[in-house]
Formats: sequence, structure tokens, C-alpha cells
Amino acid sequence: EVQLVETGGGLVQPGRSLKLSCVASGFTFNNYWMSWTRQAPGKGLEWVASITNSGGSTYYPDSVKGRFTISRDNAQNTLYLQMNSLRSEDTATYYCTRVSLRRVPDYWGQGVMVTVSS
Amino acid sequence: DIQMTQSPPSLSASLGDKVTITCQASQNINKYIAWYQQKPGKAPRLLIRYTSTLESGTPSRFSGSGSGRDYSFSISNVESEDIASYYCLQYDNLPPYTFGAGTKLELK
Repeated sequence: EVQLVETGGGLVQPGRSLKLSCVASGFTFNNYWMSWTRQAPGKGLEWVASITNSGGSTYYPDSVKGRFTISRDNAQNTLYLQMNSLRSEDTATYYCTRVSLRRVPDYWGQGVMVTVSS
Repeated sequence: DIQMTQSPPSLSASLGDKVTITCQASQNINKYIAWYQQKPGKAPRLLIRYTSTLESGTPSRFSGSGSGRDYSFSISNVESEDIASYYCLQYDNLPPYTFGAGTKLELK
């Protein structure tokens, strides 16, 4: 059974940093691209970052480029999201997602809440 | 970047109704559209990929169609467990992934 478990969320002040982790199980982690997607309270879904299966390439939307860094440790089956210079508009539930071999995000973690507030 | 225009934002249906949600892409996305269901407090669940391919476990009352820029998602015979929000996602031209704004399905 595919499982994705995110940790690391919480309350953080604007301008500070936070690092999310996602531990994967139930599949061969290093065969799959992975992504982070977020959802602000009461709002829709927004893609945040993707990383290739080897970790050699990463992708971001303009809204987080230069502030967020996605990475992975294939030996530990773990995906990360380092978030720097956080803003109030980064307040959201962050989901770790597996990207299927057909390019579509298929499995999602339960999500972790990040609140950016002073 | 490709934009996805999803409509309607909300939908009210009676049990047994057929409902349809549409997504229009800002350019041809070659059928690379997926549909997700999200219940309150839960993660999205992938229902359909590549326009009309049902994922394992997706009931047959769910269906998708379309081509080019225009796509639709339908639920025939709405059941109480279908009350949720639904999102389309284009994954043709990556990056970025682009979601539609969502449709909230409520019981009439």
C-alpha cells in the first residue's frame, strides 16, 4: 500500500524558514518523480514544486521560485521542502504527492498545515 | 503557462441526478487532464486521468470526455458519498501543473 506521511508543519513568523518532510513507503521511491502541492484555507489547489526521480532536476512556479527548495533522499525514501522567506500567503496545507509513471499525481499524503503569522 | 477555467464554481444536485463540470484550457492539452475529488479535511483523490481513464476503484458512474481545449467530467446518479469538491488538472505542458479553481457539489 502506497503511503506518504508529511511532517514538519507549524506556526512560523513571516520571513522565517521551515522544512517539511515526507516519508514514502509501499513503492520503489527512486522510480518516481515527486511533488508538493498546497491548499490555502478555503481555497483551491496550487502546485508548489516537483523533482525528478534522481533528484537531478527540480521545477517551481514563479510564486515560490528562489524561496522554496525541493529535495529528496532516495536512500531514506524521503522527500523534503525547504521553505525560506515565508510570507503570510504561504499559509496552507502542504501535500506530498507521488507522480505516476503516466505523469499525473496519483497518491497524496494526508497533508501538513503551515501557518505564517506574527 | 496554461490556464484552466473550471465551471461552475458550485453545483446543487439531488440524489440520482446527473451533473457535469467543465474545464477549458487556454491551449490544446492533448487530453492530458485529470479529475480529483476532495472531501472536507481530506487529501484529493485521483478519479480520472488522460481525459477518460478511470483509476482503480473509481465507480463507473464517474466519466470524463473531451479533446483539444474543452473537457467535461460527469457523475451520473449522484450518491450522497459524491458530495465533495472536484478539481481538474492539466499535465500536458510541464512545468507547471495547473489546477482548475474547483467545483463544490452540494445536495439540493
